[in-house]
Amino acid sequence: LAKTTQPISMDSYEGQEVNITCSHNNIATNDYITWYQQFPSQGPRFIIQGYKTKVTNEVASLFIPADRKSSTLSLPRVSLSDTAVYYCLVGDLSGNTPLVFGKGTRLSVIA
Amino acid sequence: GAGVSQSPRYKVAKRGQDVALRCDPISGHVSLFWYQQALGQGPEFLTYFQNEAQLDKSGLPSDRFFAERPEGSVSTLKIQRTQQEDSAVYLCASSLGGGAAEQFFGPGTRLTVL
Repeated sequence: LAKTTQPISMDSYEGQEVNITCSHNNIATNDYITWYQQFPSQGPRFIIQGYKTKVTNEVASLFIPADRKSSTLSLPRVSLSDTAVYYCLVGDLSGNTPLVFGKGTRLSVIA
Repeated sequence: GAGVSQSPRYKVAKRGQDVALRCDPISGHVSLFWYQQALGQGPEFLTYFQNEAQLDKSGLPSDRFFAERPEGSVSTLKIQRTQQEDSAVYLCASSLGGGAAEQFFGPGTRLTVL
């Protein structure tokens, strides 16, 4: 199983851009990089997924360098409601390997 | 549309009791996953179904844990002879595919074993 390493916590002020970096040195050729967000008392929610280069959606951007050994989730202009735990996962789409969530990064947005 | 629902949302059990936790996945989702989340930790994989077939149960912590999905839709996670260390939030997720395909999570069932 590919493991991921991400900061335990981060603080940010409202309106700032937040970048959370995840290391996944042992990522396999068929693995995708996926980020989930979890609020207290809720299940995780899918944010974004990518394989290489850059992916952008209405919520976030995901930057993946050529070697794919790390990735960066970018949240533009965060608000208080972005306070949550963010998980970085790697895995293939075949369903043969369960996802490993890790402890995630606890983002606290301050007014 | 309706998302993944779980019931009950909260369950208190005395040590040694059996409990059953229910998951209603999104209609048409082939894959169903169960996770256990302890306080302050990320979700940990328990088991995975593709339709009615349980393809992976490597994460079930002991033989007291049993999961089924007999008709390929609703799933039940049963814990026999509950212990205090079973106290956690149990999350269910469903997906159109397996592995890293987007998973849709339910709100979870918080189990407290006294």
